Amino acid sequence: NAGVTQTPKFQVLKTGQSMTLQCAQDMNHNSMYWYRQDPGMGLRLIYYSASEGTTDKGEVPNGYNVSRLNKREFSLRLESAAPSQTSVYFCASSSNPGSYNEQFFGPGTRLTVL
Amino acid sequence: AQSVTQLGSHVSVSEGALVLLRCNYSSSVPPYLFWYVQYPNQGLQLLLKYTSAATLVKGINGFEAEFKKSETSFHLTKPSAHMSDAAEYFCAVSDRNAGNNRKLIWGLGTSLAVNP
Repeated sequence: NAGVTQTPKFQVLKTGQSMTLQCAQDMNHNSMYWYRQDPGMGLRLIYYSASEGTTDKGEVPNGYNVSRLNKREFSLRLESAAPSQTSVYFCASSSNPGSYNEQFFGPGTRLTVL
Repeated sequence: AQSVTQLGSHVSVSEGALVLLRCNYSSSVPPYLFWYVQYPNQGLQLLLKYTSAATLVKGINGFEAEFKKSETSFHLTKPSAHMSDAAEYFCAVSDRNAGNNRKLIWGLGTSLAVNP
């Protein structure tokens, strides 16, 4: 049982390049989330998917797109990377409905945009 | 709207001393409450959660937290700090009435340093 996995672990991009961060969970969870973590700013929600087939914006969605490919996978795409998107990105999942929304986290992707 | 405040972005204790990390929340109804820990260069891991059963909640690694409705607080404690407790700690709240779109509202985190 791997839990939540994320690829890649590290990535360096140049301004304007695009990339997709991959996330998968093997816990049969309904909900999945993408966060970014920056020093002094805690965790900020980018997008989430309450269930397969649905996605919604979080508090900082600009510059990102997501795809809930199936129940297991939730990807985050940066179409034209900017230095302001340098951050650590975390994917998480939780079992809804009926749960307390306890979230399980992946190990993170460290992204640097030059 | 719900919110979470963690008092003190940095806390430093000596090894063997009491650890107290403070968390206050704002919510119209008693929420679900969580403490997560993040070790350096790792993801977040659940320490403990309050879901309206016992108000004193015990978690992993000797941590516990007490839900106090009158004070809207959920402070995290550990009687004796260990060097391995050095990490970032996050408090989070979830609205139990939010249905399927339940999200976590996060505090900004408290960095705990443990001095030998």
